[in-house]
Amino acid sequence: GESVGLHLPTLSVQEGDNSIINCAYSNSASDYFIWYKQESGKGPQFIIDIRSNMDKRQGQRVTVLLNKTVKHLSLQIAATQPGDSAVYFCAEKSNYGQNFVFGPGTRLSVLP
Amino acid sequence: DAGVTQSPTHLIKTRGQHVTLRCSPISGHKSVSWYQQVLGQGPQFIFQYYEKEERGRGNFPDRFSARQFPNYSSELNVNALLLGDSALYLCASSLSTGGVNTEAFFGQGTRLTVV
Repeated sequence: GESVGLHLPTLSVQEGDNSIINCAYSNSASDYFIWYKQESGKGPQFIIDIRSNMDKRQGQRVTVLLNKTVKHLSLQIAATQPGDSAVYFCAEKSNYGQNFVFGPGTRLSVLP
Repeated sequence: DAGVTQSPTHLIKTRGQHVTLRCSPISGHKSVSWYQQVLGQGPQFIFQYYEKEERGRGNFPDRFSARQFPNYSSELNVNALLLGDSALYLCASSLSTGGVNTEAFFGQGTRLTVV
């Protein structure tokens, strides 16, 4: 079955450094991916998305990279700030399904 | 602009009871999906509704049911509650079910505790 997973459950970075959060997915037919940020007690917040016909997409301070060959997705956060501390989820949507499949998440902690 | 709104925000129920959770999607969005998020895990898909019809169902027992109303709001019902149903229930809203408009935006969730 399809599944989405993350390589690391936790990640600690110094304030101002760049963060890289990784995600592996298993369904090669998936065509759409979203990164979500979830703060404690809140719902997931849309950060950035990417479609399978793209390798890279940039937003404000964030970049998502998609490597379809190895089924790997990453989220890069530039100049990480304390407000970036949260759990980050990658979510995958297959071209035949109606739902997103989420990984277990990576907790990002920003150190002062 | 109002985002996805869910009610109630918190709820405590006893085993065996039933519960109804409500969701109002973003204005103009016709698709509503429900997810269950157990503490420490990613959200798990329960249902998707589009134009009042069920378009997808996750691997959840028949105790879980949902519906969508003409104004695109939705209810999730859970009968015969079990302790394991304790979770954050999330509603996601999107313009449609596929194509280019497939971004899903989540509400704050309803925290259900079954005791």
